[in-house]
Amino acid sequence: GAVVSQHPSRVICKSGTSVKIECRSLDFQATTMFWYRQFPKQSLMLMATSNEGSKATYEQGVEKDKFLINHASLTLSTLTVTSAHPEDSSFYICSARKGGGLNTEAFFGQGTRLTVV
Amino acid sequence: AQSVAQPEDQVNVAEGNPLTVKCTYSVSGNPYLFWYVQYPNRGLQFLLKYITGDNLVKGSYGFEAEFNKSQTSFHLKKPSALVSDSALYFCAVRPLQGGKLIFGQGTELSVKP
Repeated sequence: GAVVSQHPSRVICKSGTSVKIECRSLDFQATTMFWYRQFPKQSLMLMATSNEGSKATYEQGVEKDKFLINHASLTLSTLTVTSAHPEDSSFYICSARKGGGLNTEAFFGQGTRLTVV
Repeated sequence: AQSVAQPEDQVNVAEGNPLTVKCTYSVSGNPYLFWYVQYPNRGLQFLLKYITGDNLVKGSYGFEAEFNKSQTSFHLKKPSALVSDSALYFCAVRPLQGGKLIFGQGTELSVKP
């Protein structure tokens, strides 16, 4: 299967600072990547769809100014949590599909555990 | 509203016994169906998918799933469970009309020796 790499796997930051999470498709090009948030023992909540070369599409209720998404190349999307607060602490996961067909499976990064203190 | 339901938060199975993790969906049309597994503090790993054709789909690690259109179900099965199968399992559907995956709430599978 395809490989999606996410970095860092864990990060601890102080309240009020910003944190950047990277998502890379290592062996394929991804025009679209997806960012999810997951609370303990819960399902994935789609935050936004990242589109290469254009603005991200955010889901309802997700603050686009707080969760900045940049998809500058076909293999890299970044999520920046700005002015982080303890309630932003969560597990963030990215995914990408290899190919544009709806019947293709998504490949997921290993996730980033963000802790804001 | 389109949704995916995994009615069991947790499934407990003895090693060597068959396992079933249930999934039903409410989506218009014939969606694409997927199963993923998540180990602690890891991303999701793809197990199998149903697109069309044979209702019984075989996937990774000996898992299989059966698509039942009349019951709108896509239950995950394995004939003989391993302790290493213990993990969180997610069913997901993708409607034909849109590209977003809709996830179930997840089922924690625990396989005891």
